[in-house]
Amino acid sequence: GAVVSQHPSWVICKSGTSVKIECRSLDFQATTMFWYRQFPKQSLMLMATSNEGSKATYEQGVEKDKFLINHASLTLSTLTVTSAHPEDSSFYICSGREGGVDYEQYFGPGTRLTVT
Amino acid sequence: GQNIDQPTEMTATEGAIVQINCTYQTSGFNGLFWYQQHAGEAPTFLSYNVLDGLEEKGRFSSFLSRSKGYSYLLLKELQMKDSASYLCAVKDSNYQLIWGAGTKLIIKP
Repeated sequence: GAVVSQHPSWVICKSGTSVKIECRSLDFQATTMFWYRQFPKQSLMLMATSNEGSKATYEQGVEKDKFLINHASLTLSTLTVTSAHPEDSSFYICSGREGGVDYEQYFGPGTRLTVT
Repeated sequence: GQNIDQPTEMTATEGAIVQINCTYQTSGFNGLFWYQQHAGEAPTFLSYNVLDGLEEKGRFSSFLSRSKGYSYLLLKELQMKDSASYLCAVKDSNYQLIWGAGTKLIIKP
């Protein structure tokens, strides 16, 4: 299957700082990328959907000014958590989709963010 | 609202068979997915059902009944490595994935 990578796999940052997470589709062109957040023992929560070259569409309750998403190329999307707080500590997972809505999503390995 | 229900936790014995159920109520239906997720890792795709019936893939099978809003994942010949969470997800009328909370499967020797 198609491969999606994320970097870093884990990161610890201090409260008030910003952290950037990269998501790359390695062997396909991801026209659409999705960012999820998962708290312990909970299911995946979609944060936003981004199409290459367009502004991301955020889910209700997700602050777009806090979670900056850039999808500048067909193989790279970034999520920047600005002014991070301990409550932002979570597991962030991206996924990529090559074509339209009928296409499969391929998930990255996730990034564990801990804000101290 | 949209809702996907699956048991929170199940326990089974190595070598046995276990069935994980999933019921859903969504605005439209464009397929149901089962994913496996080990702790601290991203989900990995297991199966996809869009028509009624059973899809078999090795030790794993998935069943769908659209009229009942029901699916199950059947795992045979359980191995210790099958200990994980199993997520049921449905694509709604907007082709958006709606996720269940996951079923944590514990395999005992």
